[in-house]
Amino acid sequence: DAKTTQPNSMESNEEEPVHLPCNHSTISGTDYIHWYRQLPSQGPEYVIHGLTSNVNNRMASLAIAEDRKSSTLILHRATLRDAAVYYCILRDVSTGANNLFFGTGTRLTVIP
Amino acid sequence: DVKVTQSSRYLVKRTGEKVFLECVQDMDHENMFWYRQDPGLGLRLIYFSYDVKMKEKGDIPEGYSVSREKKERFSLILESASTNQTSMYLCASSAGTGVYEQYFGPGTRLTVT
Repeated sequence: DAKTTQPNSMESNEEEPVHLPCNHSTISGTDYIHWYRQLPSQGPEYVIHGLTSNVNNRMASLAIAEDRKSSTLILHRATLRDAAVYYCILRDVSTGANNLFFGTGTRLTVIP
Repeated sequence: DVKVTQSSRYLVKRTGEKVFLECVQDMDHENMFWYRQDPGLGLRLIYFSYDVKMKEKGDIPEGYSVSREKKERFSLILESASTNQTSMYLCASSAGTGVYEQYFGPGTRLTVT
């Protein structure tokens, strides 16, 4: 699977929007972009995924660049419970394998 | 709600002991995974299974084996535990081979002394 690059850490003020960037310049046409997050002392949890179009769900929005070489996870109003490590992951569905490659992610700190 | 449970949250074992980590999922998922997580290294895949009695090596299988006798249960075995296997172990499951999310258990923090 192609690799992703994320900042090691970011800070946000509570109740403000947060934009978490991810670069994936070697993305292939069959790579889906997944985001997971890991709250302290818990296993990772799924946040959102997309292929080409922007996606919204109850947790977040995913904005995908037109050339697909980068994407941004948007939390519309950060809360203290959003403090976590956020992982941007590419998964090539053409391989049939369902394993994910987790990098080291971005640690988000939310300031009250 | 999907539930993935792991047999222990914390485990302390001695060097050379045989260690079993158990994972059970209740959503009839085909795929199950074992990861380990270490500071600065993120999550690394040890083994995964896409069907009963099937297993595939992940990125770091050395020193580990797995067993999947029933669809809902996936066991990670450390044949002879060593101190460098001290880590957080995470189990996950997912449905099918499409774009399905993985559901994770709470993790087992294993300390080998």
